Amino acid sequence: GENVEQHPSTLSVQEGDSAVIKCTYSDSASNYFPWYKQELGKRPQLIIDIRSNVGEKKDQRIAVTLNKTAKHFSLHITETQPEDSAVYFCAAGGSQGNLIFGKGTKLSVKP
Amino acid sequence: KAGVTQTPRYLIKTRGQQVTLSCSPISGHRSVSWYQQTPGQGLQFLFEYFSETQRNKGNFPGRFSGRQFSNSRSEMNVSTLELGDSALYLCASSPLDSQETQYFGPGTRLLVL
Repeated sequence: GENVEQHPSTLSVQEGDSAVIKCTYSDSASNYFPWYKQELGKRPQLIIDIRSNVGEKKDQRIAVTLNKTAKHFSLHITETQPEDSAVYFCAAGGSQGNLIFGKGTKLSVKP
Repeated sequence: KAGVTQTPRYLIKTRGQQVTLSCSPISGHRSVSWYQQTPGQGLQFLFEYFSETQRNKGNFPGRFSGRQFSNSRSEMNVSTLELGDSALYLCASSPLDSQETQYFGPGTRLLVL
């Protein structure tokens, strides 16, 4: 079935460093790739998304890259801040029209 | 606009019971998706409803069911509860399609004893 693998499961960085989270997907028909941030005890919130006709998208300190040939996409956070600490989920829009989520990456940014 | 709301927020049940959870989407949104979130498993897709019809379904047993009303509000039901059903149940709404931006509700935390 459709699957999204996300790595790493935990990531610890120093404040100011960059963080990279990678995801691979199995459904070649996927064409929508959102990233969600979930802070402790809160609901997931969309932080950035990309569609298959775009290779890279940036929004201030956050960027997402997509390689459809290799079926992987990545989240890049630069100049990390303590408030970036959260669980990040990638997802891929499946051929059935639903979203398949990765298992999440717990990012810790140490001051 | 008001955000996605879910009721109840917390629920304790015992094995064998059944439970109904409710989700009210953002006004104007017609797609409602349900997810089960457990530690280490991320968000697992349960089903999606659009215009009162189930459009997509995840790999969950038939004990998990749902429906959507004409005002787009949705309910999900879990019958014959098992300990493993303890989880945070999240619903998310989007205007037309689950492949658009999904806005999540706060979730219902279900504990099965």
